[in-house]
Amino acid sequence: KNEVEQSPQNLTAQEGEFITINCSYSVGISALHWLQQHPGGGIVSLFMLSSGKKKHGRLIATINIQEKHSSLHITASHPRDSAVYICAVIPNTGNQFYFGTGTSLTVIP
Amino acid sequence: DVKVTQSSRYLVKRTGEKVFLECVQDMDHENMFWYRQDPGLGLRLIYFSYDVKMKEKGDIPEGYSVSREKKERFSLILESASTNQTSMYLCASSLNLRGNGEQFFGPGTRLTVL
Repeated sequence: KNEVEQSPQNLTAQEGEFITINCSYSVGISALHWLQQHPGGGIVSLFMLSSGKKKHGRLIATINIQEKHSSLHITASHPRDSAVYICAVIPNTGNQFYFGTGTSLTVIP
Repeated sequence: DVKVTQSSRYLVKRTGEKVFLECVQDMDHENMFWYRQDPGLGLRLIYFSYDVKMKEKGDIPEGYSVSREKKERFSLILESASTNQTSMYLCASSLNLRGNGEQFFGPGTRLTVL
């Protein structure tokens, strides 16, 4: 079972490009997280969303609760944005998070 | 800042050995989690704990056990390590499971079982 689906699985972009990563989920949720994992590194939380849109620097996250869909956008991408981006949802019921399999982003100078 | 630490970044063990992975958090969080991460499979929950001495199985508990004797410490135990337990193991903690349920992750332990 895959409660959370991400697309694309892999993404290569030129520096400066606008990037979109998508996340669809199938359960009712109380919140959605976007996480970032650098190669060999731990995972850090970028955003937690329950509605609307959030912006932090060049990163923007949106969520549409009715459509069960979220997007992570990166404007003016930079090689240091190269990482795996993971979508995770907190369901309304139950006690565990559901994670997507991640999108591996490589930004080429 | 919340800090979650794990006892080792890299660990190499032999098949059949008993393996202990330790996780400590310093923010008085109620909830702690152990995940394994494998290529193409993403993060999978092994066990979690919502209070001292309390634990619940996640999606893949077979071959693992856990211990939470103190609030800040959550241990993952591989009773008899096998090669299919070679993986990246990540510990996390959170204050709440709902609402502000942000999880804070440790740096991970890459375990190789030979």
